[in-house]
Amino acid sequence: QVHLQESGPGLARPSETLSLTCTVSGDSVNGYYWNWIRQSPGKGLEWMGYIYYSGRGTYNPSLRSRLTMSVDRSMNQVSLKVNSVTAADTAVYFCARGNRANFNHYFMDVWGIGTTVTVSS
Amino acid sequence: DIQMTQSPSSLAASVGDRVTLTCRASQPIQTYLNWYQWKPGQAPKLLVYAATSLQGGVPSRFRGSGSGTDFTLTISSLQPEDFATYYCQQANSPPLTFGGGTKVEIK
Repeated sequence: QVHLQESGPGLARPSETLSLTCTVSGDSVNGYYWNWIRQSPGKGLEWMGYIYYSGRGTYNPSLRSRLTMSVDRSMNQVSLKVNSVTAADTAVYFCARGNRANFNHYFMDVWGIGTTVTVSS
Repeated sequence: DIQMTQSPSSLAASVGDRVTLTCRASQPIQTYLNWYQWKPGQAPKLLVYAATSLQGGVPSRFRGSGSGTDFTLTISSLQPEDFATYYCQQANSPPLTFGGGTKVEIK
């Protein structure tokens, strides 16, 4: 059974870089897309972007300038960095595995339980 | 961006009830529509992908339908474990976007 576990600092200071990790167990990162989604009271669910296991990423244009996603195939981990965080980045952050089927339909079939990040001084 | 609108935002129902949730896209998305179930403290769960395809392991009481701009998720006979929040999500074009959710509560 595939399991995703997000981890992060819990608290981040404004203007700093937020770093999150998603550890994948039960399967390889190879062959899949790896998404980051966040949920905040003010903005609901926001898809931040995904990175293919090969390293090619597609980011939400609203966040693209501040995001970096990466895959560590040796560690079976996916990482997210968000630059210059503000209080608006306070949210629960989820990683989710992306997959394709049925003539290229895309969906997220395995999710982690999320990690809460609060941005505050 | 494609906007996704779900209705109602919440509903109260009883075990055994038939429940229909609605999702509307701001522009046609063919059948690039997925449904997820969210419960507090648990990992979200994919229920339906490509508008009508049931994810493996999901009970057959869940049924997705629709194409273009209008979609529905129907639960034929609500079970106690089905009380949760349901989100639709379009996968027609990035950025992927979600609806605001429908919370299904116990009457």
